[in-house]
Amino acid sequence: EAEVAQSPRYKITEKSQAVAFWCDPISGHATLYWYRQILGQGPELLVQFQDESVVDDSQLPKDRFSAERLKGVDSTLKIQPAELGDSAMYLCASESGTSGRISGANVLTFGAGSRLTVL
Amino acid sequence: SQQGEEDPQALSIQEGENATMNCSYKTSINNLQWYRQNSGRGLVHLILIRSNEREKHSGRLRVTLDTSKKSSSLLITASRAADTASYFCATTRSGTYKYIFGTGTRLKVLA
Repeated sequence: EAEVAQSPRYKITEKSQAVAFWCDPISGHATLYWYRQILGQGPELLVQFQDESVVDDSQLPKDRFSAERLKGVDSTLKIQPAELGDSAMYLCASESGTSGRISGANVLTFGAGSRLTVL
Repeated sequence: SQQGEEDPQALSIQEGENATMNCSYKTSINNLQWYRQNSGRGLVHLILIRSNEREKHSGRLRVTLDTSKKSSSLLITASRAADTASYFCATTRSGTYKYIFGTGTRLKVLA
């Protein structure tokens, strides 16, 4: 069964350091999402890509967070500098759909997540 | 911001009992989905119900949707210990393609 790959699974860093997360969606999935999930809460959308273009990054703290999906396949989410409040699970999800057309009516397939602890 | 709120926040039942959890949301939606999350893992899709549907079944799962009350419920029948997880509803608002998740219900099924 196809999976969304994420790495690293766990990351411990000190505040003010840089950290990066990688996601490889299911092959052919045009839409990719990054969510942040604080312990005990639901996932909150950080950024949504359609192919290589950003569709929605309104909740992304752009002073320290950046995301890219250069070739419309895998994606990287970066935090620099990390702060204590960034400790959370970072989840990547992909959605099937035709390249160039946003669906919004399909299911999301999530990766296992990257758990970040900032000390 | 989170669109939905699940109720109850936590639920503990005995194996074999039914579990019911509810989701309320704020705006008009295209569809509503339920996801399960095992501890420390990613979310897994369970079921999708469209805004023009009122009830849907999948195995031991039954989902209802009441758009007039802006609410949905998820019923898990004959629960098993393996059903222990957090359950989240997710909605896509009318006119958008963004999935917004609720706050989740933590279900514990005791063997």
